[in-house]
Amino acid sequence: AQSVSQHNHHVILSEAASLELGCNYSYGGTVNLFWYVQYPGQHLQLLLKYFSGDPLVKGIKGFEAEFIKSKFSFNLRKPSVQWSDTAEYFCAAAVREIIFGKGTRLHILP
Amino acid sequence: SAVISQKPSRDICQRGTSLTIQCQVDSQVTMMFWYRQQPGQSLTLIATANQGSEATYESGFVIDKFPISRPNLTFSTLTVSNMSPEDSSIYLCSVGGGINYGYTFGSGTRLTVV
Repeated sequence: AQSVSQHNHHVILSEAASLELGCNYSYGGTVNLFWYVQYPGQHLQLLLKYFSGDPLVKGIKGFEAEFIKSKFSFNLRKPSVQWSDTAEYFCAAAVREIIFGKGTRLHILP
Repeated sequence: SAVISQKPSRDICQRGTSLTIQCQVDSQVTMMFWYRQQPGQSLTLIATANQGSEATYESGFVIDKFPISRPNLTFSTLTVSNMSPEDSSIYLCSVGGGINYGYTFGSGTRLTVV
């Protein structure tokens, strides 16, 4: 069965710092990959997704992710974070059903 | 992408009672799923709702506790039975699936059991 692991449970950064959140998945076949964001008290929101093609995927709010097949990784990046990026970030992988990682809580200091 | 209407959006229930959550989709979809998000946790798949047959449950979830109906390709219900405070969570339905298909989530049902 597929699984998703996120490397960091809690990340604290200052505004304007660069962000990289790690995500690895375990599944040997073709898989769709996603990053979701959940702001405090809000619903899940899709940041970006990878189905095929260019492994560098650009999403909303300046986020991007790179799919590295050989490493089974799909890390999320943002060159310069803002205080409003404070949220929980979930990596997810799907073959049929979508399976979520445990999430990374990001806290941006103003 | 599909539009999902999920209700109720929230409820406060007494322990020992049951609550049925409805998920209505604006188009026919093959795959429907039910998830739970416990406070401060990630989303955990409860089951896949299969049209015309019994739902497929993930490890740790059983039909007696979470009976699911899927009478057609646009509608499903999840019942949380004999509730206890530990069942307090957000429950979400999702549709989609398969290679190169996106996923859509309902807005969730915030359940509090007292």
